[in-house]
Amino acid sequence: DAKTTQPTSMDCAEGRAANLPCNHSTISGNEYVYWYRQIHSQGPQYIIHGLKNNETNEMASLIITEDRKSSTLILPHATLRDTAVYYCIVRLRSGGGADGLTFGKGTHLIIQP
Amino acid sequence: GAVVSQHPSWVICKSGTSVKIECRSLDFQATTMFWYRQFPKQSLMLMATSNEGSKATYEQGVEKDKFLINHASLTLSTLTVTSAHPEDSSFYICSARGAGTSGYNEQFFGPGTRLTVL
Repeated sequence: DAKTTQPTSMDCAEGRAANLPCNHSTISGNEYVYWYRQIHSQGPQYIIHGLKNNETNEMASLIITEDRKSSTLILPHATLRDTAVYYCIVRLRSGGGADGLTFGKGTHLIIQP
Repeated sequence: GAVVSQHPSWVICKSGTSVKIECRSLDFQATTMFWYRQFPKQSLMLMATSNEGSKATYEQGVEKDKFLINHASLTLSTLTVTSAHPEDSSFYICSARGAGTSGYNEQFFGPGTRLTVL
């Protein structure tokens, strides 16, 4: 799986959009970009994933650059409950994702009141 | 949908005893389940992958005789930490993935089990 680079930590004001960047310059053509988050002392929560096109769901939007070397996760209206560690993971999706996930250090997003 | 539970949520045991942790997919059939371990202030590390009805595949450095995994049904996997020692104290997290056509073919995580070995 391709390596990802994320900032260690970020702050965002409550109610504002939180934009979390991820660099994955060695991504290959059939690798997807996945985002998970982990609230303190809980299991990770799936957020969103994409291949080439931008994606949006009820939780977030994922913007992938045209060259696919970086992406941004956008939480449109951050709340205090969005404080968590956010993991960007690049991986194949062969067989529906049979392999376990490789978690890096992620970005600790702190939402300020 | 896609709810995964773990039991117990936390356990304290004496050194040398064995501890069993259950992972259940509540609303879908999990063809594959994964077990992760997370030490304080560190990221999750994959321990093993299990497919229903077959032996688990362990990651390098994980002792298969110490961490026994059973995936006997499509909704239940168990991890047994045998002869637990204080260095096994950690946060154990499972995830479950359904079949490719089921609509649940991403990994969904359980809430984790905090194991403390005295």
